[in-house]
Amino acid sequence: DAGVIQSPRHEVTEMGQEVTLRCKPISGHDYLFWYRQTMMRGLELLIYFNNNVPIDDSGMPEDRFSAKMPNASFSTLKIQPSEPRDSAVYFCASSLSYSYEQYFGPGTRLTVT
Amino acid sequence: GQQVMQIPQYQHVQEGEDFTTYCNSSTTLSNIQWYKQRPGGHPVFLIQLVKSGEVKKQKRLTFQFGEAKKNSSLHITATQTTDVGTYFCAGRPVGSARQLTFGSGTQLTVLP
Repeated sequence: DAGVIQSPRHEVTEMGQEVTLRCKPISGHDYLFWYRQTMMRGLELLIYFNNNVPIDDSGMPEDRFSAKMPNASFSTLKIQPSEPRDSAVYFCASSLSYSYEQYFGPGTRLTVT
Repeated sequence: GQQVMQIPQYQHVQEGEDFTTYCNSSTTLSNIQWYKQRPGGHPVFLIQLVKSGEVKKQKRLTFQFGEAKKNSSLHITATQTTDVGTYFCAGRPVGSARQLTFGSGTQLTVLP
């Protein structure tokens, strides 16, 4: 298996622009997670899905952030409009079941100028 | 809310020295996982501990879960340069539907 796939790997955008991050989880994994990592706040869980259904989005910082999972093999995290404080590495992870280990993708490094 | 604290935040050791990082939770955990993140990389799962007082070993790495299931430790014997990275613990509170809460991590530097 190719592991969790994320695109793009790097994104540089200007403040106010829409940003869409993409993730393909490992086939057969029922759980998908979106994390944000910064030096100041560490690794934060933004939202997670079970069988394509959002279960807990309490970590989503504000209404500018939205996430979807239209099918078992694809998820998006959208930021609209983007702000400089959104600059971070965004990781997608998937797991086979609720308490199993999580497999992380390579991440998307987002820079908002 | 639940907090998972890790100490130390940074650790520099000479190659061959031992290293330990500690993880403490404000609430009882149903399980704890450990991950390693190499510089510029992504977190990679190392191990999961579930039972009170559990001890697991992976070659030079020893993982412990406290009796009260509120703390955990990772000990590396005779560090090597390949051990460089940030080590995270991640715990799930008992009775909570919340997913893992990651600790702040311990960044290990191994000097050759």
